[in-house]
Amino acid sequence: DQQVKQNSPSLSVQEGRISILNCDYTNSMFDYFLWYKKYPAEGPTFLISISSIKDKNEDGRFTVFLNKSAKHLSLHIVPSQPGDSAVYFCAARSGSGGGNKLTFGTGTQLKVEL
Amino acid sequence: GAGVSQSPRYKVAKRGQDVALRCDPISGHVSLFWYQQALGQGPEFLTYFQNEAQLDKSGLPSDRFFAERPEGSVSTLKIQRTQQEDSAVYLCASRRRGFMGGPYNEQFFGPGTRLTVL
Repeated sequence: DQQVKQNSPSLSVQEGRISILNCDYTNSMFDYFLWYKKYPAEGPTFLISISSIKDKNEDGRFTVFLNKSAKHLSLHIVPSQPGDSAVYFCAARSGSGGGNKLTFGTGTQLKVEL
Repeated sequence: GAGVSQSPRYKVAKRGQDVALRCDPISGHVSLFWYQQALGQGPEFLTYFQNEAQLDKSGLPSDRFFAERPEGSVSTLKIQRTQQEDSAVYLCASRRRGFMGGPYNEQFFGPGTRLTVL
């Protein structure tokens, strides 16, 4: 069973506009949610995180929103830039066990067009 | 080096061969993770080390998979008698602290080893 889901495999937006990437989860025991960004032939790099007790976290152009009742989170990128084109993984941290291992979604390929 | 390094970057094996994948974590990092990323999927947890102790190996798909970190730094993931379904990118990640809960403590990922089993 997939505990973290990203239902959109790809997203295309114009430079300067907002990118919204979505993620759903099923496990109520996750205590942190985060987004990683991945370029081809590189490992994922951490972007932003949010505690399960918060509903919003902002860092520059990136904002993550968490709706616990809906078990849904989203990443907003404003304004989108061509360098943002990458695969974005939503991930959730286990509150206990596995050394706080991460459970990842399948990723969304974002393409920011000029 | 500044980041997590992995070697080899690419490995082609014939079915039935044994392979060994190496991870050099960031110096001083206590925690080390191995993940497997199949094509079109997200990384999936394999195993976790805190220093030299393997505290969780629940994600290892079969007893053909074995990981070690004997001195609490470099780690090796070994796959015996490789099968075609083992073809994937194997990612290593390290984290400065051990398992403590609390605020998110970033996992730093290496570039991965792409394993192709023919």
